[in-house]
Amino acid sequence: AQRVTQPEKLLSVFKGAPVELKCNYSYSGSPELFWYVQYSRQRLQLLLRHISRESIKGFTADLNKGETSFHLKKPFAQEEDSAMYYCALRGDSWGKLQFGAGTQVVVTP
Amino acid sequence: DVKVTQSSRYLVKRTGEKVFLECVQDMDHENMFWYRQDPGLGLRLIYFSYDVKMKEKGDIPEGYSVSREKKERFSLILESASTNQTSMYLCASSLGLAAVGYEQYFGPGTRLTVT
Repeated sequence: AQRVTQPEKLLSVFKGAPVELKCNYSYSGSPELFWYVQYSRQRLQLLLRHISRESIKGFTADLNKGETSFHLKKPFAQEEDSAMYYCALRGDSWGKLQFGAGTQVVVTP
Repeated sequence: DVKVTQSSRYLVKRTGEKVFLECVQDMDHENMFWYRQDPGLGLRLIYFSYDVKMKEKGDIPEGYSVSREKKERFSLILESASTNQTSMYLCASSLGLAAVGYEQYFGPGTRLTVT
């Protein structure tokens, strides 16, 4: 069975401070991992995927297969980063995603 | 630009009513999905479809059914609405089988309240 765990329901950080959102997964095969974001009153959208090894809006995430983690990091949080963030795992060829419970990030000035 | 639209943003229904939620995508995507989004539970997959007239159960299909008569349209049906089906419902679409690094595109959601 596949599972995605986001241990923090809420992260409150000050503007300019680093932010790290934790994501751990359990899956016996080779997964694809994603981070999705939902800003207030907007639809859920892809932020980044591990396979691209990209940095989007200053965010990065590294897949650590040994620790089965895919934490999302940003060195200097901005107010516009306030949103709900979901970690997701794709473990089968049909393209189904398993989502975590989500982490609400609040960046205060 | 991919567009996924849902028929209603807000819906209020009574217990026992049959409810239809409609989703349309305009990018010729093979896959379509229905999720419900609840605080503290994240997104949970109800049903998905990988082709016209094909459907597969997700993690929480009980009390729901789906219909996909055309490639661009995927309907979620609550046969007899109950109060525990009060939730935000999200539709999504994506490219088909084995598209590596693929992305799911989401609709704006329908907030359903069952009284």
